Amino acid sequence: SQQGEEDPQALSIQEGENATMNCSYKTSINNLQWYRQNSGRGLVHLILIRSNEREKHSGRLRVTLDTSKKSSSLLITASRAADTASYFCATEQGGSEKLVFGKGTKLTVNP
Amino acid sequence: GAVVSQHPSRVICKSGTSVKIECRSLDFQATTMFWYRQFPKQSLMLMATSNEGSKATYEQGVEKDKFLINHASLTLSTLTVTSAHPEDSSFYICSAQAHRTGNTIYFGEGSWLTVV
Repeated sequence: SQQGEEDPQALSIQEGENATMNCSYKTSINNLQWYRQNSGRGLVHLILIRSNEREKHSGRLRVTLDTSKKSSSLLITASRAADTASYFCATEQGGSEKLVFGKGTKLTVNP
Repeated sequence: GAVVSQHPSRVICKSGTSVKIECRSLDFQATTMFWYRQFPKQSLMLMATSNEGSKATYEQGVEKDKFLINHASLTLSTLTVTSAHPEDSSFYICSAQAHRTGNTIYFGEGSWLTVV
């Protein structure tokens, strides 16, 4: 079942601006991952944050995790037109290796 | 890096026929692969977990007789959509977990199925 909820569902910004996407989930997790998907393509793994971590950085990406609020955020700084894609959070729960995906945020970066 | 290959990338079939989609891990062994389907502008829905050498574990609501999964080797899982109907038209994506790199899961490029 899908439990992740991203907001906003769609986000349109100008190049150079920062983009923030949020994800909420309902059950306890082992880790939370963010993926990117270009239209009609497969998923690209961006970053994984474990349940005992609060923040993680990778290049222009910054991910936070608040397990008390069961939420995570993905920040893309200094956005580029090439960042235009859909972004999904996914949680790995309990003893399962299954990923449960959120509904995604469609990001459009205008040049 | 690890690569997961899916084939075919696009397929059109007639109603009532069956179509097979392959998912291969190219440079690592994957004891577990996952199959998802994605409708346009929607998220990924897990269909089943494919385990090498054993039966697949299907998610609730997924018909195991309609979506046949075979994981015959450590590098190949196949999804066969049997007696396809137009409502089976969707984007099917597989993923594989490379245990040698921790919990990272690699996704294939997906397969567009259109049933006419």
